[in-house]
Amino acid sequence: NAGVTQTPKFQVLKTGQSMTLQCAQDMNHNSMYWYRQDPGMGLRLIYYSASEGTTDKGEVPNGYNVSRLNKREFSLRLESAAPSQTSVYFCAASYQPQHFGDGTRLSIL
Amino acid sequence: AQKITQTQPGMFVQEKEAVTLDCTYDTSDQSYGLFWYKQPSSGEMIFLIYQGSYDEQNATEGRYSLNFQKARKSANLVISASQLGDSAMYFCAMREGGPYNQGGKLIFGQGTELSVKP
Repeated sequence: NAGVTQTPKFQVLKTGQSMTLQCAQDMNHNSMYWYRQDPGMGLRLIYYSASEGTTDKGEVPNGYNVSRLNKREFSLRLESAAPSQTSVYFCAASYQPQHFGDGTRLSIL
Repeated sequence: AQKITQTQPGMFVQEKEAVTLDCTYDTSDQSYGLFWYKQPSSGEMIFLIYQGSYDEQNATEGRYSLNFQKARKSANLVISASQLGDSAMYFCAMREGGPYNQGGKLIFGQGTELSVKP
């Protein structure tokens, strides 16, 4: 996908493990976002960063932390993974329109 | 609170025919933006079309057009001359605030799965 790269693409975790999802954009946009997509529920905003150095909670922030490392990178961390966090995670950059990465499929057993 | 509603979980259309995917929204803001995204089975999110709340003309992008009825708070996507490759999930989304709103947060509907029949 143009400009937004997510790693990894797939991951399986055990309950209680931690991991960080990475996102990088090469479009020089200020705004970056993390969404999760669950079956039948569309995408829901977890956290966003309007500019480098700022982060704010979205609709479903519980259980997650984020870091806006620099203008290019915005990471999402699960400190203690739970089965309810099994989902597809999308990172996006810009806001009109938002450009999405290809997603990370995360399964927590 | 802002909300997006897509009432059609699934739709079928014959190849080469036109199809309308419904989207209604709720917001108290005067300035907002409406978006449609396509998600094929491969999973990526593809931006299709945008309509600003103050835009007087309905947005068009190739075979896609947005039927914007502000008083009814609806923003239906019309796909003309459907192709097999149009089979996908389609999401309507809304951003409150103007184009330079720093937050830019999107609220998504639940999606409509479109199947194009040959």
